[in-house]
Amino acid sequence: AQKITQTQPGMFVQEKEAVTLDCTYDTSDPSYGLFWYKQPSSGEMIFLIYQGSYDQQNATEGRYSLNFQKARKSANLVISASQLGDSAMYFCAMSLGEGGKLIFGQGTELSVKP
Amino acid sequence: GAVVSQHPSWVICKSGTSVKIECRSLDFQATTMFWYRQFPKQSLMLMATSNEGSKATYEQGVEKDKFLINHASLTLSTLTVTSAHPEDSSFYICSASKGKGINSEQYFGPGTRLTVT
Repeated sequence: AQKITQTQPGMFVQEKEAVTLDCTYDTSDPSYGLFWYKQPSSGEMIFLIYQGSYDQQNATEGRYSLNFQKARKSANLVISASQLGDSAMYFCAMSLGEGGKLIFGQGTELSVKP
Repeated sequence: GAVVSQHPSWVICKSGTSVKIECRSLDFQATTMFWYRQFPKQSLMLMATSNEGSKATYEQGVEKDKFLINHASLTLSTLTVTSAHPEDSSFYICSASKGKGINSEQYFGPGTRLTVT
């Protein structure tokens, strides 16, 4: 069965510190993509970062990096130097097959403290 | 950029009526559009995948006669909630993809908040 799991319902981090949001996945397909999205209270889905299953290096986008451990089937998001505006829901998602449909994890609510 | 709009952004309707939600890709042609539903404090659940000119593919457990999807062009898909009931109240989000494949990014609309009274 194909599944994405985020085990941290909520996380707190102090402003300017780094935080890691966990994501594990399960699939038997050798080819898949992993995405992270941010959803602020307004509801819009904001794309953060992408990692392909065949990518050798971990993806990075500004303050976001993806710690991809294929053998462990984990794709944790690391946010460096947290800002107050980072407070939001964060979703890990996996894309499968030619159709590219996404399945989402349960989400982690991140709160950044001043 | 790749911009996706949704209309309306919020709607309140009476039980038993139908509601249509539009999803448009404003600056690109979308090979595929997706419809999701999100209940408060929950994740996004894929309802259906639609391709222009063909019937939508619904996920297991989604009633295709209740949630009608029409993908009329490469830039427009509509979701009609027929005979809406209070349990259909939710946040409906569409997304559009430029290509196919696992690395095709989905561009999300801002969502439509439906309240059925």
